[in-house]
Amino acid sequence: QLQLQESGPGLVKPSETLSLTCTVSGDSISRSSYHWGWIRQSPGKGLEWIGTIYRDGTTQYNPSLKSRITLSVDTSKNQFSLKLSSATAADTAVFYCARHSGGYFDSWGQGSLVTVSS
Amino acid sequence: DIQMTQSPSTLSASVGDRVTITCRASQNINTWLAWYQQKPGKAPKLLIFKASSLQSGVPSRFSGSGSGTEFTLTISSLQPDDFAVYYCQQYESYSTWTFGQGTKVEIK
Repeated sequence: QLQLQESGPGLVKPSETLSLTCTVSGDSISRSSYHWGWIRQSPGKGLEWIGTIYRDGTTQYNPSLKSRITLSVDTSKNQFSLKLSSATAADTAVFYCARHSGGYFDSWGQGSLVTVSS
Repeated sequence: DIQMTQSPSTLSASVGDRVTITCRASQNINTWLAWYQQKPGKAPKLLIFKASSLQSGVPSRFSGSGSGTEFTLTISSLQPDDFAVYYCQQYESYSTWTFGQGTKVEIK
């Protein structure tokens, strides 16, 4: 059974880099035909796609965040990661990792709340 | 970017009601549309993909229809477990994926 689990600091200072890792179990990132994505949800708000990474490391980023995002994959640990630089209070959100299946997201992690505050 | 607009923003209904939520795309997305259900404090759950295909394990009271720019999610007989927020998502643009703003289905 596929499971995704986000991990990382719950508190980040303004101007610092927000970093999260998603650990995948029940599927192999390196052998899977699926892609892997990040979505965030600001408090009381809707869903915003952040970016997607393919098993070969190819990435696609939300244009509104592109200058600040870096996605990477570690196939040896079956993990993929998100870095969001120059964080501000507006980046406070629940961050979800998800399996990106032909355009839609068919399995999600439970979510990780990250607060940007001094 | 393709913009997705859902209506209504909030819907009040009773158990047993037939409920319909609409999602409109700012341009033609064919049938590249998914629907999700989100309950408080939980991750979204995929209900429907390709506008009308039911995800495995999702009750048959959920159905989707539409193509082009207008789509609907219908719950044929609302159950207590269905009170949640519902989101549509387009994936026609295979480089930027966007969600609607959500529709909250609440108890009348």
